[in-house]
Amino acid sequence: SQQGEEDPQALSIQEGENATMNCSYKTSINNLQWYRQNSGRGLVHLILIRSNEREKHSGRLRVTLDTSKKSSSLLITASRAADTASYFCATVGMDSSYKLIFGSGTRLLVRP
Amino acid sequence: DSGVTQTPKHLITATGQRVTLRCSPRSGDLSVYWYQQSLDQGLQFLIQYYNGEERAKGNILERFSAQQFPDLHSELNLSSLELGDSALYFCASSAEGIAGNTIYFGEGSWLTVV
Repeated sequence: SQQGEEDPQALSIQEGENATMNCSYKTSINNLQWYRQNSGRGLVHLILIRSNEREKHSGRLRVTLDTSKKSSSLLITASRAADTASYFCATVGMDSSYKLIFGSGTRLLVRP
Repeated sequence: DSGVTQTPKHLITATGQRVTLRCSPRSGDLSVYWYQQSLDQGLQFLIQYYNGEERAKGNILERFSAQQFPDLHSELNLSSLELGDSALYFCASSAEGIAGNTIYFGEGSWLTVV
């Protein structure tokens, strides 16, 4: 079973706009990670945020974590057509440091 | 390039057959993970090995088995294949456990069961 649920399931925006994806999870976590997957390709790690962190930045990416609401968001600023991909959140639970459980993903389409 | 190598990239086989998927982790990584991605189930964690020993098990069927060898490469064996086993199988690796460590994914092995 999946730990997280992403919202929205699909998102279509114009190039240059910001894209925000949300992730909710069910159990306490050690950390939460965001991944990107181009169609049919491997998963690329984007960013890791630990349970005691509230916000992290990496280039055009900004991730927030609210452990009280068991939710995270990924913001991609100034989107580009090349950002078109599926984005997944994944969590490492407090009960096990060896399982990375993925959400259902958000399909992002950036129109040129 | 993540440094994780998976072979074969594509595989087509018949129901009832057995296949072996191979994974070479990134240099120095001791942990190997296997995931299955299908349209209806999404990304499912199957199993994880650390330095040759099984560490965590997920939704892995009894028809599936895996092992990690002394040189740290890993194999996922899928037997008595069914149509529903058609999926993209990912291997990933990390230095140690994943609490605070990034895991790196290979490009996957596409399995089609006909």
